[in-house]
Amino acid sequence: GENVEQHPSTLSVQEGDSAVIKCTYSDSASNYFPWYKQELGKGPQLIIDIRSNVGEKKDQRIAVTLNKTAKHFSLHITETQPEDSAVYFCAASTSGSARQLTFGSGTQLTVLP
Amino acid sequence: DVKVTQSSRYLVKRTGEKVFLECVQDMDHENMFWYRQDPGLGLRLIYFSYDVKMKEKGDIPEGYSVSREKKERFSLILESASTNQTSMYLCASSLGSPDTQYFGPGTRLTVL
Repeated sequence: GENVEQHPSTLSVQEGDSAVIKCTYSDSASNYFPWYKQELGKGPQLIIDIRSNVGEKKDQRIAVTLNKTAKHFSLHITETQPEDSAVYFCAASTSGSARQLTFGSGTQLTVLP
Repeated sequence: DVKVTQSSRYLVKRTGEKVFLECVQDMDHENMFWYRQDPGLGLRLIYFSYDVKMKEKGDIPEGYSVSREKKERFSLILESASTNQTSMYLCASSLGSPDTQYFGPGTRLTVL
């Protein structure tokens, strides 16, 4: 089955700097890669996703890149703000897979004012 | 907006008790999921359901069962709670496969 590894487990950045979180996956058939943000006391919420037919996707300060050859994908947050502090999860899914999504172990991002 | 609600935010039970965690979604989603979240382990899938009365085991089904009698409701059952089932339990739903999963706020279960 799919295995997703996520690094780093914790990340601290100064407000205004960029943050990068990386994930690798094992199943070359995986074709959907969402990123979730979990704020304290809440359930995870989708912030951006990418499908295997594109290499990069942007939404304001957030971008995701995908390298299918190397089987890794990354989340980039620019101009970080204190409200970006949260736990971020990557995930991977194979279309039609009964397993749906396999999640990484999470990254605790702290943006220091 | 999609709304996924869970019956309790916090729950404390004794070892050996039968525990019911309920989840309701209001968007007519086909798929519903139960995850367990533990520090450093991410979200691990316990069970999921792709239709009423249908269920599939996830990665860690041992010690759990589920019930889906109505499309909008998915219940997780701990037949005999144990201390190693102390955890955060998250319910989610999605329309298609694969598709955005919408999560509830979670139930923090403590088994004493």
